[in-house]
Amino acid sequence: GAVVSQHPSRVICKSGTSVKIECRSLDFQATTMFWYRQFPKQSLMLMATSNEGSKATYEQGVEKDKFLINHASLTLSTLTVTSAHPEDSSFYICSARDHGSYGYTFGSGTRLTVV
Amino acid sequence: AQKITQTQPGMFVQEKEAVTLDCTYDTSDQSYGLFWYKQPSSGEMIFLIYQGSYDEQNATEGRYSLNFQKARKSANLVISASQLGDSAMYFCAMREGPRAGTALIFGKGTTLSVSS
Repeated sequence: GAVVSQHPSRVICKSGTSVKIECRSLDFQATTMFWYRQFPKQSLMLMATSNEGSKATYEQGVEKDKFLINHASLTLSTLTVTSAHPEDSSFYICSARDHGSYGYTFGSGTRLTVV
Repeated sequence: AQKITQTQPGMFVQEKEAVTLDCTYDTSDQSYGLFWYKQPSSGEMIFLIYQGSYDEQNATEGRYSLNFQKARKSANLVISASQLGDSAMYFCAMREGPRAGTALIFGKGTTLSVSS
């Protein structure tokens, strides 16, 4: 079945630095990628939708200059958290649109801790 | 208004018992899809079951079944014969529209604890 590889699975970074999270579709072309953020014991909140070759569409309240999304190829989408602060510490997970029966394949998630 | 409502923050069940996790949804679309995912402490999202809005029969996948009541806009997950490994967070989600072009909308989740 469809697989999305997400890296890193865990990252700790210092406040003020940037962190890049990658989601790579291994056996299909991901024309659309959805990026979610999840705080502990809470729901998955959609941050943005990216389509290959075009600018991402951000949800209301998500700072596009802080959370940079690039979807430059059909197999790779990246989320860069710029100038990270402790309040950006969260679980980030991507979901690619695939063309199987149900249409969504999730990455395994990235746990970001900003110290 | 919330699109997906899960009213049970936590549920407790004994091994081998059945459990129902509630989910109601709100949409004006005629074509939509309903999903249930399991999220263990590792964080991965494990797909459990899917129900399309035009599916007349309730979906079943092994020990999981979806009790779809379209008029009431409910899509409850039933887990039969609970196992210790079922302890996790469970999310109900909805896709609005006929195809996977839109993001899934998630409920707040229910934490299921299975005891021996």
